[in-house]
Amino acid sequence: AQSVSQHNHHVILSEAASLELGCNYSYGGTVNLFWYVQYPGQHLQLLLKYFSGDPLVKGIKGFEAEFIKSKFSFNLRKPSVQWSDTAEYFCAVNEHSSASKIIFGSGTRLSIRP
Amino acid sequence: DAMVIQNPRYQVTQFGKPVTLSCSQTLNHNVMYWYQQKSSQAPKLLFHYYDKDFNNEADTPDNFQSRRPNTSFCFLDIRSPGLGDAAMYLCATSRALGLERTEAFFGQGTRLTVV
Repeated sequence: AQSVSQHNHHVILSEAASLELGCNYSYGGTVNLFWYVQYPGQHLQLLLKYFSGDPLVKGIKGFEAEFIKSKFSFNLRKPSVQWSDTAEYFCAVNEHSSASKIIFGSGTRLSIRP
Repeated sequence: DAMVIQNPRYQVTQFGKPVTLSCSQTLNHNVMYWYQQKSSQAPKLLFHYYDKDFNNEADTPDNFQSRRPNTSFCFLDIRSPGLGDAAMYLCATSRALGLERTEAFFGQGTRLTVV
């Protein structure tokens, strides 16, 4: 069965630190990959997405992610975090099967110290 | 110009009393999803429609049912809500046709309280 793993449950950083959040998936076929962010009390927002082409994708608010097919990974990065990046981050995967469902990883809570 | 609309935003229901949550979309997407999200947890896929085909997740309780009468509307029925069903329920849509895909577009959710 398809699964998405986010191994970092809670990450605490100081402002201006660099960020990398891990995401691994298990599906062996063609996939689309996403990172969503959920700020406290708000609904899910798309940060970035990968469909095809350049495996390094850039999203909003200075975030980027790299798709490494051989590692089944899609890690999220930001060179310098801000206090306003405090939020929950979810990796999601859409498999190219007949059912085409999108499932989410367990999420990583990011706390930024001012 | 909301594209995925969920009603109501807040729903209070009594323990054991059937409740229906609704979702509509203006995107003409062929896939519609229902997720359950509890506090500080990831959205958990309950089921989704790929066109008219209903796809139930293996661990979704029988207490949860869904209907999709047409492309634009989808309903989540909880036949006998328990206290453990209190959560945010998220509707989402996406397009999946051949090789064409989009991300999931989410509604603002319905927060269900069971009393």
